[in-house]
Order: sequence, then C-alpha cells, then structure tokens
Amino acid sequence: QQNVQQSPESLIVPEGARTSLNCTFSDSASQYFWWYRQHSGKAPKALMSIFSNGEKEEGRFTIHLNKASLHFSLHIRDSQPSDSALYLCAVSMRQGGRALIFGTGTTVSVSP
Amino acid sequence: EAAVTQSPRSKVAVTGGKVTLSCHQTNNHDYMYWYRQDTGHGLRLIHYSYVADSTEKGDIPDGYKASRPSQENFSLILELASLSQTAVYFCASSDMRTGKSNYAEQFFGPGTRLTVL
Repeated sequence: QQNVQQSPESLIVPEGARTSLNCTFSDSASQYFWWYRQHSGKAPKALMSIFSNGEKEEGRFTIHLNKASLHFSLHIRDSQPSDSALYLCAVSMRQGGRALIFGTGTTVSVSP
Repeated sequence: EAAVTQSPRSKVAVTGGKVTLSCHQTNNHDYMYWYRQDTGHGLRLIHYSYVADSTEKGDIPDGYKASRPSQENFSLILELASLSQTAVYFCASSDMRTGKSNYAEQFFGPGTRLTVL
C-alpha cells in the first residue's frame, strides 16, 4: 500500500521569501506526481504535476522529482499572502482505480 | 474546466439518522470519488466508482455506502450517522482514459460540511 508523507506539517514564511515543501512516497512504480492547493473553506485544486524525473517550472512555482529517492518537492518563489493555503501532494499509479493517493498536507502561512 | 457540484452544501444531522450527500458532474468523466477531510488535514478516500451501477471501497469505507446510478451522479449514504462522521466531504471526478495529458487529475466539488449532533 502506497504511503505518502509530507513535511513540514506547517510553516510560516515572510512575504517575498522562498517556500519549500516536501513529499515522499513508498512505491517506486509511481508514475504521476501532483501538487494541489486548498485555500481555507474552498475545494482542493490541482496546481502542478510532473511525470518524469527532473524539474518543471510554471511562473513562481517549481516542482522537483527524484524517483530514485522517492521524493518530490514544490518550491514557491517570491511567496505572496495569496499563497497561504493547505498544500497537498498526491501520487498516482497508471494502473488501478485508486488514481491519486494524497499526503496529509502542509499548511503555509505567508506573513505580509 | 470540469464542473462538479454537491448538495447540500451544509447539513446538520442527528445521531442515528440517515444522511445522503449528492454529487453531480457534467464533464463525462468515468471516475468519481468521495473523500472526507477533517479540519486542517488531508483527504481520505471513502468510496469511488469507475462505471455506473458499480462502486469500490476506499481506505475508510466503514459506516458509509455509495451509489452511482448514472455516469453523472454519485451519492454517499450514512445509514446511521455518528458523531465521528462530522467532517467536510468532497466529491471529485477524473478522466482516467490513458493518453490524456492531465492523466489522473481530479476535479473537486465545493464540499459539504456535515455536523452530526
């Protein structure tokens, strides 16, 4: 059974700083890796995904994936108060109906 | 963008009562899911379905039933609601056909806040 863990549980960062979130998974056959963002009182929404080892950048957000280390991360450059949210990582296998297995989440607070 | 709606948006139920949460999606997605989220925590999968008239158990199915009468609709049923089932419930859908660039991306409804007294 896939085990997906996130760290840290929560963090506070000053506006303009870099935020780094971590996610580890246990099944080396995992193929799809997602980050979701959930603002308070709202639904989770997909932020970014990566399917192969390396790095992917979209605006202020960057994902790093290292399958050999069973680890991927999300980095937010120039953090803004609007980035304050619960961040959920998720992992998917190609086969099987479970699709996504979510981590427990990291709460990010960006202080102005 | 995918549209998933849920009803009701909030509900107060009494212990031992029956509760039905409804979910509707308009995007022709094959998979639908029910998750539970407790305050400040991640999502736990209750039930899911990949075809009408069939449902599968997730990680925490005890105390919950699911029904998928059509591709668009997916319900979660609490036959005997308990205090421990107070939580926010999210429905989601995804297109799991291979070859899609956004493979496995799940689109979530707005959630139902359930309080059991």
